Amino acid sequence: SQQGEEDPQALSIQEGENATMNCSYKTSINNLQWYRQNSGRGLVHLILIRSNEREKHSGRLRVTLDTSKKSSSLLITASRAADTASYFCATDVRSNDYKLSFGAGTTVTVRA
Amino acid sequence: NAGVTQTPKFRVLKTGQSMTLLCAQDMNHEYMYWYRQDPGMGLRLIHYSVGEGTTAKGEVPDGYNVSRLKKQNFLLGLESAAPSQTSVYFCASSYVVRTASRIDGYTFGSGTRLTVV
Repeated sequence: SQQGEEDPQALSIQEGENATMNCSYKTSINNLQWYRQNSGRGLVHLILIRSNEREKHSGRLRVTLDTSKKSSSLLITASRAADTASYFCATDVRSNDYKLSFGAGTTVTVRA
Repeated sequence: NAGVTQTPKFRVLKTGQSMTLLCAQDMNHEYMYWYRQDPGMGLRLIHYSVGEGTTAKGEVPDGYNVSRLKKQNFLLGLESAAPSQTSVYFCASSYVVRTASRIDGYTFGSGTRLTVV
């Protein structure tokens, strides 16, 4: 079964607005990562937040992590049409396996 | 710097045929992975490798075999394709920070779209 689940499944916003999506997971993690996938393409790594971090920024991206609630959020500020994509969270579960478990993703559409 | 290269990009197979998907990375990553992506189900891990000559089963390994004879290459084989294996297949590689027991970000290939009829 999948470790992470994103919410909402789909999101439609106007250009310039902020987009927020959430990820919940089930077991303790080493880190949580967010990826973007443009239509018909591979996934691209956006940001990694470690289990001992609460917030991280990268350009227009802001990620928070609440390990007590086993949840994370990704905020994209001042969205652009180019942000239209699917966004996936992935968890690095505490084990010796060194593999990521992905959620089903949030599809974001930014309207011009 | 090519990163992760997958071949072929598209393929149509008849039920029962076999094929091999090739993944090559030029980043000297030890860890390599094969995932399949189906609508509404995200990515599911098929097999992975923690180094040359080693492979391990993931979440959905049935019907697939893998080999990692060289560090830079990870092959995914379908011995007898079935319509249920129609999917988009992604290869990824990663650097692992063993001293911190964590994975860094994956680098993904662009995918192979496989249709089994």
